Parts: sequence; C-alpha cells; structure tokens
Amino acid sequence: GESVGLHLPTLSVQEGDNSIINCAYSNSASDYFIWYKQESGKGPQFIIDIRSNMDKRQGQRVTVLLNKTVKHLSLQIAATQPGDSAVYFCAENWSRAGNMLTFGGGTRLMVKP
Amino acid sequence: SQTIHQWPATLVQPVGSPLSLECTVEGTSNPNLYWYRQAAGRGLQLLFYSVGIGQISSEVPQNLSASRPQDRQFILSSKKLLLSDSGFYLCAWEGRAGSPLHFGNGTRLTVT
Repeated sequence: GESVGLHLPTLSVQEGDNSIINCAYSNSASDYFIWYKQESGKGPQFIIDIRSNMDKRQGQRVTVLLNKTVKHLSLQIAATQPGDSAVYFCAENWSRAGNMLTFGGGTRLMVKP
Repeated sequence: SQTIHQWPATLVQPVGSPLSLECTVEGTSNPNLYWYRQAAGRGLQLLFYSVGIGQISSEVPQNLSASRPQDRQFILSSKKLLLSDSGFYLCAWEGRAGSPLHFGNGTRLTVT
C-alpha cells in the first residue's frame, strides 16, 4: 500500500554542520507534507510544512524540499546545534476527512559537539 | 494561544484492568482531535479521530475505544488492558483540515 518512509534511521553530524534528513513517499496523490521533531519523552513538535504546489519552503534554519517527480521530501537544518538532536518524522496527508497523516518511521539525528 | 493537555504522563497498569486517558484542548473551538499510539522506536499509528462531539472514527480494530463528551475533550479507554496495549499514547488537535497537527506530550502506558 501507500507509505511514507525514511532512508536513514540514524544521522550523526558535527555541531555547526548542515544536516539533511530524507523521506520517500509513494502516494502520488498526497498534497501536504509535514516535518516533526520529537525529543525524548515528548510529543512530536511541528517544524515546517509544504504543499504540493511548492518545491521549497524555508523557515528559521530549516528548509524543506519537495521533489514530486521522484516522490522525495527532505529537511535541511543549517548550522546544526546540540538542541537539534531528536527524532525527525515526515508525514504525508492522504486525507479522506480531516488531517489523516501517514508518518514515516523516523530518523534519529545526533549532533556531536 | 492554543494548548493541549494530556494526563497522566506515565501509567503502569496490570493486565485486565481498565484504562482512561484524557486529553483537553484550550484556546480553540471545534478542533479535530486524534489519538495516536507510538511503539518504542517506531512511527505513529492513528487510532481514533473525531470531528465533533460524539463523532468517533476508528482506524484500526483494537482493544481500545474513544469518546468525545465535550468539544475540547477526548478520552481513550479500555475495559480490559492487554500487554500489547503498552506504548506511548499521543493526543493531537487540528484547527482545520489541511493544517498541521499539534501534539500533546503523551502518556507512557506500561501494561504489566
């Protein structure tokens, strides 16, 4: 069936470097995508979203890129900081009613000082 | 501003005991409400969603049920817990369709 997945389960980066977290989706009808950050013991926190009529969206230190041709989504974090260490989830919207997000399995980002 | 509260934060319950987890949202009206479960090191599985009082949709067959007695209150229940019900339960709200879900800080349930 349709699914959202992540290429790398764990990503380790040096503090100050840029991080790129990737996500593949298979539902070509999906039109809304979200990245969440989840710290240990907490609920997922919204980072940034993008709709299918865009291919790039920027926030504070984060950029989401959407390539609909290859059904690929990425989250770029500039100047990664120790506080960025967390699990990152992508999610796609295959809505029938409301916001029926399908979540990927998550990527753990580890920032080395 | 909108806030979402879940309680308790942690819970240890014996097999066969009942369960009631509560979630409330403040600062918004008519939210869509969701219950998710997250197994250790895994993604999120949608359990229930509600678009209004008394309106509950279930996404997966299971030992759990949900109720929405008030506009901003969502309750997850079980009559008899199973070991497999252990997990991290997350409540989320959405102001309108197609906007981001906002999650509470979850309840970690351990069934022993």
